[in-house]
Amino acid sequence: KQEVTQIPAALSVPEGENLVLNCSFTDSAIYNLQWFRQDPGKGLTSLLLIQSSQREQTSGRLNASLDKSSGRSTLYIAASQPGDSATYLCAPSGSNYQLIWGAGTKLIIKP
Amino acid sequence: DAGVTQSPTHLIKTRGQQVTLRCSPKSGHDTVSWYQQALGQGPQFIFQYYEEEERQRGNFPDRFSGHQFPNYSSELNVNALLLGDSALYLCASSFTVQETQYFGPGTRLLVL
Repeated sequence: KQEVTQIPAALSVPEGENLVLNCSFTDSAIYNLQWFRQDPGKGLTSLLLIQSSQREQTSGRLNASLDKSSGRSTLYIAASQPGDSATYLCAPSGSNYQLIWGAGTKLIIKP
Repeated sequence: DAGVTQSPTHLIKTRGQQVTLRCSPKSGHDTVSWYQQALGQGPQFIFQYYEEEERQRGNFPDRFSGHQFPNYSSELNVNALLLGDSALYLCASSFTVQETQYFGPGTRLLVL
């Protein structure tokens, strides 16, 4: 059974810092892995999707890497801004394409 | 394109009642998945519909049932509501099961 852990659970940093969010999963037989953003009380916005054959994906200030063999993914946020404050969730999917979720990292960027 | 829409946005029910939540997928999407997200936790998969049939189901009791209509919209029904059913219910749509899922804003259900 796939289990997903996200560390840290919460993070508060001053604006402008580069930061790394970590995601680990127990079953390396994944189809892909997605990173999502969730604003308080709101739905989920897909940020990046990495196929199992890929090592990383980039979108603007965001870069996600995937090391399938070690069961790890990281989300790197460059030059953080207050608008980046949200909860970030990672979700690998298995052969049945079902997303399995971590509990998320709550990020606060202080102006 | 309106994206994925869900109704209602908020709902208050009492224990034992029944509730129906609705989801309209993004234009061109034929697959709808439902998730339950308790406060402070990640979403949990309830079930997925494709071609009007339930294709996959997570670890949820039979009190949770659904339906997909010919226009690909979907309903989630929960019978005999329990306090523990209070959560944000998220609907996601995709073009086939393998593609990226797009999420709606959710329906927040409070059971008193």
